[in-house]
Amino acid sequence: DAMVIQNPRYQVTQFGKPVTLSCSQTLNHNVMYWYQQKSSQAPKLLFHYYDKDFNNEADTPDNFQSRRPNTSFCFLDIRSPGLGDAAMYLCATSRDRKTQYFGPGTRLLVL
Amino acid sequence: DAKTTQPTSMDCAEGRAANLPCNHSTISGNEYVYWYRQIHSQGPQYIIHGLKNNETNEMASLIITEDRKSSTLILPHATLRDTAVYYCIVSGRIQGAQKLVFGQGTRLTINP
Repeated sequence: DAMVIQNPRYQVTQFGKPVTLSCSQTLNHNVMYWYQQKSSQAPKLLFHYYDKDFNNEADTPDNFQSRRPNTSFCFLDIRSPGLGDAAMYLCATSRDRKTQYFGPGTRLLVL
Repeated sequence: DAKTTQPTSMDCAEGRAANLPCNHSTISGNEYVYWYRQIHSQGPQYIIHGLKNNETNEMASLIITEDRKSSTLILPHATLRDTAVYYCIVSGRIQGAQKLVFGQGTRLTINP
């Protein structure tokens, strides 16, 4: 089945230690999104790629970066995780402005 | 971005229809209404979307008022697995893509 895959499902990192979360998709969608969802809150868009073009939301901290080496893969890099970055990170994809489909998420714990 | 207003929580008996309301009075002409749900610790699941006509799929029905200022999601025969947070979202446009601004949603509990 075509899908959005996120690995790992759970990630533990240390305060200040860089961490990378990955997302892959078999839907061949040209847009990929990263959302952050903190405990008991709604998902919040961090940035998206439209094809190879990176688009950052205005209030996304500089600590968060992303890479998209090809259509299928997208990475979220957190350069120096703080305790406040502990959250569920959700990847989604879409074909242009059509419906977004989400992956299962990666839960990040910062010690 | 158009904002939505939903009840914080709702209960429904198993086997009955669950009707979830949403107000989106500032919606503009080309903005779609999307519904997603999120079961605990999972990613949001797409349910249905519409522009101005009522829509139905295998999961649910979406009723949009004629003035488009409100909508209702209907789960026709709710089961315990439908317990989740349901998000009503008016989609916006960003560079080449769609912007979903999630509100707090409605926590729907299906009771046996």
